[in-house]
Amino acid sequence: GQNIDQPTEMTATEGAIVQINCTYQTSGFNGLFWYQQHAGEAPTFLSYNVLDGLEEKGRFSSFLSRSKGYSYLLLKELQMKDSASYLCALFDSNYQLIWGAGTKLIIKP
Amino acid sequence: ETGVTQTPRHLVMGMTNKKSLKCEQHLGHNAMYWYKQSAKKPLELMFVYNFKEQTENNSVPSRFSPECPNSSHLFLHLHTLQPEDSALYLCASSPDEGTGSNEQYFGPGTRLTVT
Repeated sequence: GQNIDQPTEMTATEGAIVQINCTYQTSGFNGLFWYQQHAGEAPTFLSYNVLDGLEEKGRFSSFLSRSKGYSYLLLKELQMKDSASYLCALFDSNYQLIWGAGTKLIIKP
Repeated sequence: ETGVTQTPRHLVMGMTNKKSLKCEQHLGHNAMYWYKQSAKKPLELMFVYNFKEQTENNSVPSRFSPECPNSSHLFLHLHTLQPEDSALYLCASSPDEGTGSNEQYFGPGTRLTVT
């Protein structure tokens, strides 16, 4: 079967760093996405990893280890506007997108 | 603005009503998707259209009926819904279905409440 796990909720402090983990089991793998979704808004694309390693984009970085079925999203210099849900999703062998339930990130001053 | 619009943004309907959700994308994409998003659950893929042809129907009840008249427009026709169908319905588009770094662009969603 296919399964994606990510924490339901995390809390962090403004200016700090937070790492949101995503673990998965799948019979096939064609890439992993991270999306950000503010409350009441559409999910927006953050990153795509298909090879192992770290992809950096400004304050956000995403890491993938295919052998471990593991990814994380790293957010640095947290701002209040980073309060949102972060969705992990992967392309399976049929290029179907399988979604995690999302991690709600709460930023405190 | 993601280039994907959805109307209405909010909809309240009774179980005997018939209504339609509309999605329009201005990105020149060929694939369009309907998702259901319920609280604390993963996004559920409902339907996929690629080049106006339906390529996926994820065992969705027949009370949901999609229509894709062209690559820019996607509808979801609703009839005799149940209270458990209350959710956020998201439309998305991508250049093509699947393949490569095919990120999806989402609309703002329609918040549906079935009474």
